[in-house]
Amino acid sequence: GDSVTQMEGPVTLSEEAFLTINCTYTATGYPSLFWYVQYPGEGLQLLLKATKADDKGSNKGFEATYRKETTSFHLEKGSVQVSDSAVYFCALRKATNAGKSTFGDGTTLTVKP
Amino acid sequence: SAVISQKPSRDICQRGTSLTIQCQVDSQVTMMFWYRQQPGQSLTLIATANQGSEATYESGFVIDKFPISRPNLTFSTLTVSNMSPEDSSIYLCSVDKQNIQYFGAGTRLSVL
Repeated sequence: GDSVTQMEGPVTLSEEAFLTINCTYTATGYPSLFWYVQYPGEGLQLLLKATKADDKGSNKGFEATYRKETTSFHLEKGSVQVSDSAVYFCALRKATNAGKSTFGDGTTLTVKP
Repeated sequence: SAVISQKPSRDICQRGTSLTIQCQVDSQVTMMFWYRQQPGQSLTLIATANQGSEATYESGFVIDKFPISRPNLTFSTLTVSNMSPEDSSIYLCSVDKQNIQYFGAGTRLSVL
């Protein structure tokens, strides 16, 4: 079946450091890929998405590129802030399976001032 | 986009009791989804709620434990029945709209 594998955490960075959180997937067909963020005490919020190969999703300084050849969707940010401290989830969704997204295990990011 | 409101946001319950969680969406949707997020873990789909029919449960989840109602196209409830400490989790309501999945803020349930 479909699966999403995320870089294990937790990840601790200093403010203004470069962030990469790796995400790879296994799926048949052509899924859409997503990054969700969960701030402490809150639900999941969509951070960015990409719906086809070579698409780049971006939001709030975060970016991820849909790489079909490596089945990856790594999340990057050039300069993290303390306010970016959260849990990040990579997910895939197929149009034929609406609502049943497959999630990675989540990566906890802590940014220290 | 979709705005999803969940109530309660958190609760502490006694073993053996039941809790009903409400989910309200700001627009009509065909399907609503209920997820569970156990402490430190990822999300697991409990069931899909369709208006006018019984919910469809995923493997490992049963209607007697997690009865679901879907009285109209903007509202659903999930009941966690006969609770035990193992039911302590975050329960999330979700909708799929324009190929994006949206989530409520979740209900944080602690069972003593």
